[in-house]
Order: sequence, then C-alpha cells, then structure tokens
Amino acid sequence: DVKVTQSSRYLVKRTGEKVFLECVQDMDHENMFWYRQDPGLGLRLIYFSYDVKMKEKGDIPEGYSVSREKKERFSLILESASTNQTSMYLCASSPLGRGGNQPQHFGDGTRLSIL
Amino acid sequence: AQSVTQLGSHVSVSEGALVLLRCNYSSSVPPYLFWYVQYPNQGLQLLLKYTTGATLVKGINGFEAEFKKSETSFHLTKPSAHMSDAAEYFCAVTGSNTGNQFYFGTGTSLTVIP
Repeated sequence: DVKVTQSSRYLVKRTGEKVFLECVQDMDHENMFWYRQDPGLGLRLIYFSYDVKMKEKGDIPEGYSVSREKKERFSLILESASTNQTSMYLCASSPLGRGGNQPQHFGDGTRLSIL
Repeated sequence: AQSVTQLGSHVSVSEGALVLLRCNYSSSVPPYLFWYVQYPNQGLQLLLKYTTGATLVKGINGFEAEFKKSETSFHLTKPSAHMSDAAEYFCAVTGSNTGNQFYFGTGTSLTVIP
C-alpha cells in the first residue's frame, strides 16, 4: 500500500513564525500535492509538483511556498504565519498517469493552529 | 474547466437504508471521476474511480457509483447503510487537459441513525 506520511498530526504556532510542514511518500510517485481543508469549502489546492525541484501554483498559493529537493519529500512553508492560515493541511501523491487518470493518495493531515 | 457540485452538505439515513450521495460535474473533456471518504481526523481514502469502460463502478465497503454522461452525474450509492459509514464523502473530477490536478466538491457529511 502507498504510504504518505505527514510529519505532525497537530501543530500550534504563533503569528509571524515561519512554519514547515513535511510530507514523505514511499511509492516513488512523480506527483505531490498540498491542500488545505476548511469546513464548507472542501479541499483547495495550494501547490503541486510534477518532479524534483519543480512546482506549480494551485488555487490559493498566497502566503505559502514549497520545496521539493528529493522525489519522495514535499515541504509546505508558511513564510509568516497568520491566524487565517489555521486549517487542516493534507498532502497527497500520485503516479504519473495519462491525463489525470491515477488516484491521489493522502496522508492523515496536519491540523495547524496559529495563535 | 472542471468543477464538481455535491448536492446536500449533510445527509442522514437510518441504519439499513439506502445511501445516495449526489455528485454532478462540469468538464470540457471526458472526465475521470473519483469518490473519497474521510473519517474524523484522518486523510482521504479512495472509495472508487471511473476512468474508462463500464459506467457502473464498484468500490470498497459495498459502495458503487454510476457515470451518466447525459446527466453529467456520478452519484454514490450503497444499498444498506451501516453505522461505520458515517463520514465525510468527497467527489472529485479531473481530465486529460488538467494534468493531474483534481477538482474536489465541498463534501457531504453522512450521518447514520441507529
């Protein structure tokens, strides 16, 4: 089975801090994704990556950046955390497929609170 | 462009009753469609997917969904609800022109009444 591991289940940080969320997948997948999940809004894509050192903006990239130095690891960075970034963050990975016909596999999520 | 609408943010059914969760999609290309389930404080787990071929798709835990192109729908059903089915359900669409980007609905929370 595919395993997507997020480094923390729960995280509490302060406004203005630089926050790192880490995600590791063990199936040699090319694609990795970061979403945030908020009640009533579903999942919104922040950033995704198709390859090492490659990144693409999703629907809500403002206030975030990402890093993919190794194929198995995709990091989400909150440059200067703000209270409106309190949310559940989900990482996902998928293999390279034809036009998106491969499912995404999700980690258990990190519930981040910014005080 | 792709998008998904899930009708009903909350659905309640009695244990043993039919489960029907609605999903309508919009896609400018032939879609690939997915249903995911999320239990409390967990990530999303794939229930089933439609890519090509048979339009009635069977998934895990007794769920199935039917792709109806004429209705642009991909509703999720289960003949008999179980208490363990209580969770959040998400429909997602992607397509050949989106690369691997998924577009998710806003989710439907299923409550099962004993």
